[in-house]
Amino acid sequence: ETGVTQTPRHLVMGMTNKKSLKCEQHLGHNAMYWYKQSAKKPLELMFVYNFKEQTENNSVPSRFSPECPNSSHLFLHLHTLQPEDSALYLCASSGVQSGRSEQYFGPGTRLTVT
Amino acid sequence: GNSVTQMEGPVTLSEEAFLTINCTYTATGYPSLFWYVQYPGEGLQLLLKATKADDKGSNKGFEATYRKETTSFHLEKGSVQVSDSAVYFCALSDYGGATNKLIFGTGTLLAVQP
Repeated sequence: ETGVTQTPRHLVMGMTNKKSLKCEQHLGHNAMYWYKQSAKKPLELMFVYNFKEQTENNSVPSRFSPECPNSSHLFLHLHTLQPEDSALYLCASSGVQSGRSEQYFGPGTRLTVT
Repeated sequence: GNSVTQMEGPVTLSEEAFLTINCTYTATGYPSLFWYVQYPGEGLQLLLKATKADDKGSNKGFEATYRKETTSFHLEKGSVQVSDSAVYFCALSDYGGATNKLIFGTGTLLAVQP
């Protein structure tokens, strides 16, 4: 595997379910990100991890719980979601701590909450 | 704070037409600038970047020049193809403390007709 991978690619869950999204980067990067992309809205940064430490949480509801066990893996644990949480969830990684580095994105998980 | 403004879409062009997608930014310091492309059903892919004033990023026939005097980073292509149909995002780097973030524009949908 190369680049940034995400599983599953599609997920349908009820509001009472618990599920997890997984992201893995094969680029040797130290920073990882979760974004939410909803129709007709700007890309929303949710969480940032740098060397496994969370450095940013953009007022994300507690029903979204991130986990970063190491610099290559990032999870987003989901529980008691709402229909408005249906969106494309994108993971990204970047390689250096300076502000000049680009981010590399995975293909996303299309989440539908019923 | 830092921000990115890009032209609203959709932009509809015929094959082989000239493309311009405008992007302007507001930033303190000297951010790097990026264009990302998102094809249907996929994540964002880095298209090109520029890290300092007057730099020109280019890739796959697309170009953009970092203009500090006009705070702009317009995307251009001389002759578009149907396969260029996608959503294009302008972004700038925003580094604060331990966090390396990208600030994205709202995206511009490009539709190229044969």
